[in-house]
Formats: sequence, structure tokens, C-alpha cells
Amino acid sequence: ETGVTQSPTHLIKTRGQQVTLRCSSQSGHNTVSWYQQALGQGPQFIFQYYREEENGRGNFPPRFSGLQFPNYSSELNVNALELDDSALYLCASSLVGWGTEAFFGQGTRLTVV
Amino acid sequence: QKEVEQNSGPLSVPEGAIASLNCTYSDRGSQSFFWYRQYSGKSPELIMFIYSNGDKEDGRFTAQLNKASQYVSLLIRDSQPSDSATYLCAVGGLTNAGKSTFGDGTTLTVKP
Repeated sequence: ETGVTQSPTHLIKTRGQQVTLRCSSQSGHNTVSWYQQALGQGPQFIFQYYREEENGRGNFPPRFSGLQFPNYSSELNVNALELDDSALYLCASSLVGWGTEAFFGQGTRLTVV
Repeated sequence: QKEVEQNSGPLSVPEGAIASLNCTYSDRGSQSFFWYRQYSGKSPELIMFIYSNGDKEDGRFTAQLNKASQYVSLLIRDSQPSDSATYLCAVGGLTNAGKSTFGDGTTLTVKP
């Protein structure tokens, strides 16, 4: 158990809809990173939130957005869903600092039909 | 060329053998190196991390890092069927493990 929880675990949406995924970070961690993992591929970095601000972004369009709350939990929002957005969305909790590690939640499986 | 490359696999070894998983990376500025295990349908689970050149051992697992060659490997001794999973190599900076670049993984099957 990593102490990182994500909700929901599974979700089916229709193309063009919007979705919000949630993540609660591990106690003591101040940073949440979001990754997208397509079938058969490694996780791809979407963005990271540190102290409620975006702290780096991968090669994802602006329709992927996020928030971090004062308790360090986070949301990932995706607008105008496309079929290619179907993937496992992973949240990783960590501390910014020397020699730290990141721990993943169980993921949200999003299917866009 | 991908930033982090892993042997394409799948890799199959008999129970009790040593499994060797390899990873190369392109960013010479990378300072932290992680190995995650991912069972089918589950999320990645951190099994080892290494920062310094050389070997780091943890139980049946040994991570090896060679920054000059931009190469990191994971050895699993006395492989067990429960080790059957996809192993992901991730590379990042020293102070922010959450911003890592992942390879596509190598799938390992340990046959009884």
C-alpha cells in the first residue's frame, strides 16, 4: 500500500465529453504528478503540481489541465475527450528534495467511446 | 530515438535463474534511476532506485548503474513465478522523482 489513492478506478466516457480524475497524495508528500499510460507503453508525464502550482508539463495539449489543493490532493481534468485519451491515468506522490522517491496510486482506467 | 530504451522482450527465464533487464538513456544530465514492477492491470510499484555508479543490492534484486555508458540494469536472482511482470525503467533528476521519463518496459515471464 502506497497511501496514494485515486478515484474513480474505472470510467467510460463519450468522445467530446469532459472528465475529472482525483488523487490523494501520501501523507507528508507535497507533490503530485500525473501520467498517462497507453496499452503496451510506459507512463508518459502529463504535468506536476507542487505547492498548488503547475511545476512542469509534458507534451500534452491544453485540454489537459489540473489543480492541487491545500491538502496536496489533486485533480486532472480532460476536456473534449478523444478516443486516443483512452488509457490508464496514474497519479504519483512525492516530495521535492534530494533522493526522494515517487509512489503511484492504483490508477484510473479511462475508456473513451 | 526514445529518451529511455529498454530491451524489447518479452524475456522468459526458468524458475531459479537470473533475469537481466537492461535500460539505456539519452540525457546525460539524468541523476536518478528507478526500477518499477507493474503487474498486468495494476499500477507501477517501486522496487529499487540508484543514484551512484556501481551496484546496489536489495534482497534478490541488484541495480547496476554506469553513467559513462548511460546504462542501468536490474538483475533478479533466484527468479520466482511471482516475479512475472513488466519492469519499467525510469530516469530523472536528483531532487524530483515525480518528474521521471519512463521506458516502455520489458515483460518478464518466469516459468516454473
